[in-house]
Amino acid sequence: EPEVTQTPSHQVTQMGQEVILRCVPISNHLYFYWYRQILGQKVEFLVSFYNNEISEKSEIFDDQFSVERPDGSNFTLKIRSTKLEDSAMYFCASCIRGTDTQYFGPGTRLTVL
Amino acid sequence: SQKIEQNSEALNIQEGKTATLTCNYTNYSPAYLQWYRQDPGRGPVFLLLIRENEKEKRKERLKVTFDTTLKQSLFHITASQPADSATYLCALLMDSNYQLIWGAGTKLIIKP
Repeated sequence: EPEVTQTPSHQVTQMGQEVILRCVPISNHLYFYWYRQILGQKVEFLVSFYNNEISEKSEIFDDQFSVERPDGSNFTLKIRSTKLEDSAMYFCASCIRGTDTQYFGPGTRLTVL
Repeated sequence: SQKIEQNSEALNIQEGKTATLTCNYTNYSPAYLQWYRQDPGRGPVFLLLIRENEKEKRKERLKVTFDTTLKQSLFHITASQPADSATYLCALLMDSNYQLIWGAGTKLIIKP
C-alpha cells in the first residue's frame, strides 16, 4: 500500500541554523500539507499546497518558513533560522482532492538546541 | 473560530468492553469529521470519516456517530483489545479552506 515517507526521522540543529524537512507524498496525490505537533500538544496546521503554490497557511507559518515541490515527488519544508520553539514533530500529509482523507507520514522530530 | 474538545483525561477500559470517546465542537458544522489514531512518536493514522449528512459510519469494530444538533461525534471501539491502546484524535475538515482542525486527543488504555 502506498504511503507518505519523511526524512530524516530525527533532526538535531543549533538555533539559528536552516533546516529542510523532506517528504515524499503518495504519487497520485495533488494536495500536500505540513503540520506540527509540539510534545504533549495538539496537531497544528502549518500550510497546504496545491498546483505548485500555497493555498492556505496558518499564523505559525511566518516568513521563516517556506515550502517547495522541487520535482515531481518531493515536498519540502524549510525553516530558515530555527528557534528553540520550533522543536516539534513535523508531519507531512497528502490527499488526492482537498476534501479527501489526508494520509500522514511518520513525522520528523526536530530538536533545536 | 472553530474549537474542538476531547476528554483530556485518559480513558481506562477493561479488555472486551466497548470504549466510547467524545468529540465536541463549537460554531458551525464541518463538512467532514475524522477520527485518527496516534501512537507515541508516530504520525496520525486515519480511521474513519463521517460527513455532515451521515448519522453513523462503521468499520469492523469501530463505529462513529455524528450529531450536528448536539455538535458532537462519538467514537466507539467494541470488543476492545490492549492493542487498541493509543491516543485518538478527532479532526474537522473545514470545507471553506480544506484545513484540518484538531482536537487534543484522548488517551485510551485497554487493560487486560
